[in-house]
Amino acid sequence: DAGVIQSPRHEVTEMGQEVTLRCKPISGHNSLFWYRQTMMRGLELLIYFNNNVPIDDSGMPEDRFSAKMPNASFSTLKIQPSEPRDSAVYFCASSLLRDETQYFGPGTRLLVL
Amino acid sequence: SQQGEEDPQALSIQEGENATMNCSYKTSINNLQWYRQNSGRGLVHLILIRSNEREKHSGRLRVTLDTSKKSSSLLITASRAADTASYFCATDAAGGTSYGKLTFGQGTILTVHP
Repeated sequence: DAGVIQSPRHEVTEMGQEVTLRCKPISGHNSLFWYRQTMMRGLELLIYFNNNVPIDDSGMPEDRFSAKMPNASFSTLKIQPSEPRDSAVYFCASSLLRDETQYFGPGTRLLVL
Repeated sequence: SQQGEEDPQALSIQEGENATMNCSYKTSINNLQWYRQNSGRGLVHLILIRSNEREKHSGRLRVTLDTSKKSSSLLITASRAADTASYFCATDAAGGTSYGKLTFGQGTILTVHP
């Protein structure tokens, strides 16, 4: 089983650039979660999808952040324009809709200079 | 604000000793979960305890839940150096419409010295 796949694993970019993070959930899972982890704020839920539909995006910090899930096997988190305070590790997790356990990807470490 | 607050923030023990971590939360829950995160990795699910359960075991892990005190504890017995990691509690709030949404605590950093 491949697990949750995230790409890229590391991203270094300059302030103002667009950043796109990608996630492939575990096959058959129908819930997908995007989290951000920083030392200051811990692990924060940004947005999550059930059956490709966004359910709760109250954690998305501002309009610069957007997320899509065009199909059951792919999701993107986009930051445009990026700012240094967006530097963090971004995790994607997936689960079965009626299973409370979430399976996390390895994360994307983002550094915005 | 964070639903789960963990205590202690950091714990350092010798191999073979037991490690106990505590988690407190604020609202009614459906379940409480514990996750582990090794440095530079994603979180891994360890154990889930439902609101109507008081204690659960899995291998060297023992979890307790006291809903009257809104608290949980994770006990790792006979710790090993490989248990060195950060441990997080996560709660699934009851009564909400966002099914499956977890709120994570700040975590306890456990260091087990060989």
